[in-house]
Amino acid sequence: NAGVTQTPKFQVLKTGQSMTLQCAQDMNHEYMSWYRQDPGMGLRLIHYSVGAGITDQGEVPNGYNVSRSTTEDFPLRLLSAAPSQTSVYFCASSYGTAMFFGEGSRLTVL
Amino acid sequence: GEDVEQSLFLSVREGDSSVINCTYTDSSSTYLYWYKQEPGAGLQLLTYIFSNMDMKQDQRLTVLLNKKDKHLSLRIADTQTGDSAIYFCAEMRGSQGNLIFGKGTKLSVKP
Repeated sequence: NAGVTQTPKFQVLKTGQSMTLQCAQDMNHEYMSWYRQDPGMGLRLIHYSVGAGITDQGEVPNGYNVSRSTTEDFPLRLLSAAPSQTSVYFCASSYGTAMFFGEGSRLTVL
Repeated sequence: GEDVEQSLFLSVREGDSSVINCTYTDSSSTYLYWYKQEPGAGLQLLTYIFSNMDMKQDQRLTVLLNKKDKHLSLRIADTQTGDSAIYFCAEMRGSQGNLIFGKGTKLSVKP
């Protein structure tokens, strides 16, 4: 099993550009989520999904869209990037108690 | 939302025990977690404890839970330089399975 795979690992965007962070898991987990990590802020929940076709907002959803067309994939879309979205993004999946994280995607918005 | 609180820094000498503390807010939290993050890496699940337990031990790691005070601690015995990392406490809040994280405690281990 590869676990939770995120791509790309690094990305630089200009303000106003759009992009999608990809997340895939091969553990057949129903629950998937996206967090952002900023210095001194810990991890904050952006969006989550409890199964294919179901998504919901977390603590900081503004500026981000998600969809869940399959159990395996949970992409995070930035429609118009802003410097405030410079962060490290983590995708996670879980089934029951244990949540597993990807290695992170470091995004810089200039 | 209400916060999960951790002290930001802890420094210990190699071979000593480390104790990282956390307070959480939701008395209905079902599970509480400790994650480890090394520089530039993702979060590694270290251990978790069900809310009806007081203690859980796993090799060098001991988790203590005081549900009355909503206090969670992680003790690392015989701390090694490889234990230097940021340690995050998290609580599972609500029925969806979302985790709410503390800001992390940076553990520095001096030789």
